[in-house]
Amino acid sequence: SQKIEQNSEALNIQEGKTATLTCNYTNYSPAYLQWYRQDPGRGPVFLLLIRENEKEKRKERLKVTFDTTLKQSLFHITASQPADSATYLCALDIRGATNKLIFGTGTLLAVQP
Amino acid sequence: DGGITQSPKYLFRKEGQNVTLSCEQNLNHDAMYWYRQDPGQGLRLIYYSQIVNDFQKGDIAEGYSVSREKKESFPLTVTSAQKNPTAFYLCASSIARAEQFFGPGTRLTVL
Repeated sequence: SQKIEQNSEALNIQEGKTATLTCNYTNYSPAYLQWYRQDPGRGPVFLLLIRENEKEKRKERLKVTFDTTLKQSLFHITASQPADSATYLCALDIRGATNKLIFGTGTLLAVQP
Repeated sequence: DGGITQSPKYLFRKEGQNVTLSCEQNLNHDAMYWYRQDPGQGLRLIYYSQIVNDFQKGDIAEGYSVSREKKESFPLTVTSAQKNPTAFYLCASSIARAEQFFGPGTRLTVL
């Protein structure tokens, strides 16, 4: 069956360190993958999109990698700050389908000052 | 000031009652979506629409209905057939094969 897995445990890191979040998928062949940030009680906010033919994408302190052989994406936040504390969701486009995205369950990141 | 709005922010429903959640966007996006989020869970797709007067069921459409009479509006009705409607409902819009823009959400509680 199709499945998207993100770290189910909360990730606690110290301010200034690099946070690394994982998104693994099975039985999908996505054309692209997206990462979103969600704060409690609010809608998700788009962060980055990476296509299947791209290995890496950067935006300021954020970096995303996409390995279609391993079926995995890694999301990095460098020089993390307490304001980065939130839930991070990965989402996969379904190749050949419409604009549908399939979302993972998210990873809660807590950055300690 | 472009964006996507949802109303109300909080909604209470009695058993056997239908309620309608509003979603409006002025981003000129063709595609609109409704998701449900339960505590500690990811987003699950209820319905989506790629064009006016057309919509498709998502993964959990039972007990819900939608309409898309205008490009800007995509209301969701939670019917009495939905047995466990208490959840956080999110509306989103997008252009083709791109990121989705989300509204602030409606929290629905069954009394």
